[in-house]
Amino acid sequence: QSVLTQSPSASGTPGQRVTISCSGSSSNIGSNTVNWYQQLPGTAPKLLISGNNQRPSGVPDRFSGSKSGTSASLAISGLQSEDEADYYCAVWDDSLNGVVFGGGTMLTVL
Amino acid sequence: EVQLVESGGDLVQPGRSLRLSCTASGFSFGDYTMGWFRQAPGKGLEWVSFIRSNTYGGTTENAASVKGRFTISRDDSKSVAYLQMNSLETEDTAVYYCTRVVGVFMAADYWGQGTLVTVSS
Repeated sequence: QSVLTQSPSASGTPGQRVTISCSGSSSNIGSNTVNWYQQLPGTAPKLLISGNNQRPSGVPDRFSGSKSGTSASLAISGLQSEDEADYYCAVWDDSLNGVVFGGGTMLTVL
Repeated sequence: EVQLVESGGDLVQPGRSLRLSCTASGFSFGDYTMGWFRQAPGKGLEWVSFIRSNTYGGTTENAASVKGRFTISRDDSKSVAYLQMNSLETEDTAVYYCTRVVGVFMAADYWGQGTLVTVSS
């Protein structure tokens, strides 16, 4: 059972905008900044968003992150087939004194 | 180009030990926090351990699931991070990833390709 809650799956058609949510608590998302990772099939994870909404160099601006209270969201606009992957939210938890992850959301591009 | 290459993964029996290595290149290794994450077969990501740079005391943080059994360390002269894993359990079976960690966000901005540790009798 993951500390952060994500929907197990999401889907969209090419060109659509999809949103993936991540719910936590006051000791994690409510207190610290959220990072998002993308894991393409059979590959290592890749940092997609850091500090709630910062895109590392090379990440398309189709990807955006936001946070409100104890929840965070990853939005993908102009969905492309290559976006089909697992997406994970992660954040430092002050009570557990460590990084906690969501269970991951498998995104399918129909 | 930043590169992280893990090694040391193997098949081991429960209760035994294993040491993973992560050889880094393409950046000033001593300036960065390094981390280990893992992913059990068919499961999600799990953080394992961090070690801060010596500028910040080289202090470490460990997940509750491995505390007292796993030890992270670093050799800045060789640009290598290590994960010493003792008293291995079947639940430790996973692909272990070495990462570079940046900023106050504790974001893992570069990942190695991973090394598989299988704990089984």
